[in-house]
Amino acid sequence: DTGVSQNPRHKITKRGQNVTFRCDPISEHNRLYWYRQTLGQGPEFLTYFQNEAQLEKSRLLSDRFSAERPKGSFSTLEIQRTEQGDSAMYLCASSPSLGRQAFFGQGTRLTVV
Amino acid sequence: QQPVQSPQAVILREGEDAVINCSSSKALYSVHWYRQKHGEAPVFLMILLKGGEQKGHEKISASFNEKKQQSSLYLTASQLSYSGTYFCGKEGGGATNKLIFGTGTLLAVQP
Repeated sequence: DTGVSQNPRHKITKRGQNVTFRCDPISEHNRLYWYRQTLGQGPEFLTYFQNEAQLEKSRLLSDRFSAERPKGSFSTLEIQRTEQGDSAMYLCASSPSLGRQAFFGQGTRLTVV
Repeated sequence: QQPVQSPQAVILREGEDAVINCSSSKALYSVHWYRQKHGEAPVFLMILLKGGEQKGHEKISASFNEKKQQSSLYLTASQLSYSGTYFCGKEGGGATNKLIFGTGTLLAVQP
């Protein structure tokens, strides 16, 4: 399977714990996006990488959130001191440099208890 | 700035047609359409880049009226596999091509 891969698929954590999610984009795609989706809503943009550079962050991304994309390959999204309001589906998408179509991964569903 | 979709939900019988509308209060330069089944990733359907453009994908097609800042998705002779939530998305501007997704339309096709 050469699509966008996200791990883990599900994560249950206690409030206050740190969590990290991983996204492996399609190999030749240099654009990578993180979105957050809550039940019944459309995905909301969180952050964007072009290769290893993080070029845009949404105001939704509080200082408890950090994302990296070392060497322009896979990306990680870390949430520190999780809160119940962080419970959501975290989606990763990638697209090629000259394309506009975004390919989404299956997402990581986070539940904070 | 989020596009508004209508209807919010629609129930169809197999073989019936449906139209999903997407409206933006601000300028709409392109429209992306996605379908998402429960628990799965959004799947790209099509992108419309020019006002007046119409595109088709199997029995699903779309139109884009740039002047009215609207797009419509047409599903004809619906199949059970069409069930899911449909989202339109507008590009957020700048060089990122990030998408601002619409409010979503839940489509249920029944036998």
